[in-house]
Amino acid sequence: SYVLTQPPSMSVAPGETARITCGGNNIGSKSVHWYKQKPGQAPVLVIYYDSDRPSGIPERFSGSNSGNTATLTISRVEAEDEADYYCHVWETTSDHLFGGGTKLTVL
Amino acid sequence: QVQLVQSGAEVEKPGASVKVSCKASGYSFTDYFIHWVRQAPGQRLQWLGSINPNSGGTISAPKFQGRVTMTRDTSLTTAYLEVTSLQSDDTAIYFCARDLITARPVCPALWGQGTLVTVSS
Repeated sequence: SYVLTQPPSMSVAPGETARITCGGNNIGSKSVHWYKQKPGQAPVLVIYYDSDRPSGIPERFSGSNSGNTATLTISRVEAEDEADYYCHVWETTSDHLFGGGTKLTVL
Repeated sequence: QVQLVQSGAEVEKPGASVKVSCKASGYSFTDYFIHWVRQAPGQRLQWLGSINPNSGGTISAPKFQGRVTMTRDTSLTTAYLEVTSLQSDDTAIYFCARDLITARPVCPALWGQGTLVTVSS
């Protein structure tokens, strides 16, 4: 079965750039969506169809997808960006898959 | 504004069933698929299935086929998830989410607040 792999955690200083990866076999051929989730809250969609941003999401959030890796990039990281981030693909008509999540810590 | 409001927390015994509701407002209920996703403590998000509120047709994750039932009441603009034969590892927060685009189950975009289901003897 298809598996999405994310690093469990990463740390970044305020103002720097965070790049969160999501690995999967030929993931570049699929559409990837990204969610931000703070403790005790529901997920929030931050990127859809690899690189599109929903209204209300800061331009600091961007995405890319090629080969075996999709990437969520957060520029000029702020304290409010500290959260868990999940990637998601619709693998077939019968299954949606999520990555294991990456805990982003802002130092 | 678009809003999904879920029913309150439930505590069930092993072997029992639970039914969670998801009340939608602020948009045309029958235009967008509703997804059900759960999250066990400290675990990743796990998709259970989706329902087309227009037709009532459903798609379930292979792992949950036969154990989850998704329904809707269009007059109440409410979707329901029933999970049967509950076990301790079904303890999780259950979320409903409206899809991003009309008429296709592509991307859970707007989420309810979640319903905690605890399975304990």
